[in-house]
Amino acid sequence: DAKTTQPPSMDCAEGRAANLPCNHSTISGNEYVYWYRQIHSQGPQYIIHGLKNNETNEMASLIITEDRKSSTLILPHATLRDTAVYYCIVRPHNNAGNMLTFGGGTRLMVKP
Amino acid sequence: DVKVTQSSRYLVKRTGEKVFLECVQDMDHENMFWYRQDPGLGLRLIYFSYDVKMKEKGDIPEGYSVSREKKERFSLILESASTNQTSMYLCASSLSPAAYEQYFGPGTRLTVT
Repeated sequence: DAKTTQPPSMDCAEGRAANLPCNHSTISGNEYVYWYRQIHSQGPQYIIHGLKNNETNEMASLIITEDRKSSTLILPHATLRDTAVYYCIVRPHNNAGNMLTFGGGTRLMVKP
Repeated sequence: DVKVTQSSRYLVKRTGEKVFLECVQDMDHENMFWYRQDPGLGLRLIYFSYDVKMKEKGDIPEGYSVSREKKERFSLILESASTNQTSMYLCASSLSPAAYEQYFGPGTRLTVT
């Protein structure tokens, strides 16, 4: 699986958009970008995924650059409950075992 | 909503004990997974199962075994617990091998003394 690089921490004011970057310069053509988050003392939670087009769901938007070497997860109106560690993962859609490998992630702190 | 439950949130065991961690999902998912999560090491796959009585080794299977007798239940067994198995254990499930999402349980924090 391609390696990802994320900033270790970010702050965001409540009600503002949180933009979380991820670099994945070695991504290959069949690899998707996935985002999960983990709130303290809970299991990881799926947020969104994409291949090359921008994606939006009820939780977030995912913007992938044209060369696919980086992406940004956008939480449009961050709340205190969005405080969590956010993980960016790249992997093939149907890789063996369908396993996930999390790196260090970005610790997002939403402040009042 | 998909629900993945784990038998204990916190567990303390002694070195050499046999430990059973149970995981149950209620959405008829085919795939189930056991991970451990440690600071600085991220999430690492121990074992996964894509069908009843089927199992595959993940990245770090040594010291662990698994059992899947029923589709909804996937058990992780530590045959003889050691202190280096102190960790957060996370169970997950997904609908199929091609599913995008994995659904995680709340985790079991195991301490081996």
